[in-house]
Amino acid sequence: EAQVTQNPRYLITVTGKKLTVTCSQNMNHEYMSWYRQDPGLGLRQIYYSMNVEVTDKGDVPEGYKVSRKEKRNFPLILESPSPNQTSLYFCASSPLPLAGLTDTQYFGPGTRLTVL
Amino acid sequence: KQEVTQIPAALSVPEGENLVLNCSFTDSAIYNLQWFRQDPGKGLTSLLLIQSSQREQTSGRLNASLDKSSGRSTLYIAASQPGDSATYLCAVVTLNRDDKIIFGKGTRLHILP
Repeated sequence: EAQVTQNPRYLITVTGKKLTVTCSQNMNHEYMSWYRQDPGLGLRQIYYSMNVEVTDKGDVPEGYKVSRKEKRNFPLILESPSPNQTSLYFCASSPLPLAGLTDTQYFGPGTRLTVL
Repeated sequence: KQEVTQIPAALSVPEGENLVLNCSFTDSAIYNLQWFRQDPGKGLTSLLLIQSSQREQTSGRLNASLDKSSGRSTLYIAASQPGDSATYLCAVVTLNRDDKIIFGKGTRLHILP
């Protein structure tokens, strides 16, 4: 089954304790992306990756890191989480047409993170 | 900077009615526009994708239209059902935005049985 998986689905942590949210897709997609969703602010892009070892900042990258060492995985790293990073996080992937722009995006189920 | 707006933020309609959800965007130089559905606490499911060269796309009871010149898209839902209750989001990829996708804040739809 074609899917995007995220782990963990729910996480409660404390300020400053490093954490990683994993994202994996089995569709051989080149493009992967992380979003956060907050009430009243909608979905905002954190980072995206066009392919292995190619990553770029989205609209709200501060406080986050990513890596793309393998095509299928795109982990989101919070080196020192803070309460303002409490949010619902989504990973997404997409095939990359020759034009170099995204096509239909497939979303993971979400990770609800609470930073105390 | 591209901005995507969805009005209304919430909508309640009786079951069986046809309805239209609206999405507007400020920069008409888009690559595509996509409509998603999101159920509470869940991820997003792609409903329809309209490329910039297209005027509309249809899938079952759903029809999405695109008017780039006016910066508008509509999602038409025919014969609404309680199972259609969800939040509907539109998102655009702008040609000069380096593949960044910009989402609207969504319309929360409630179909009354």
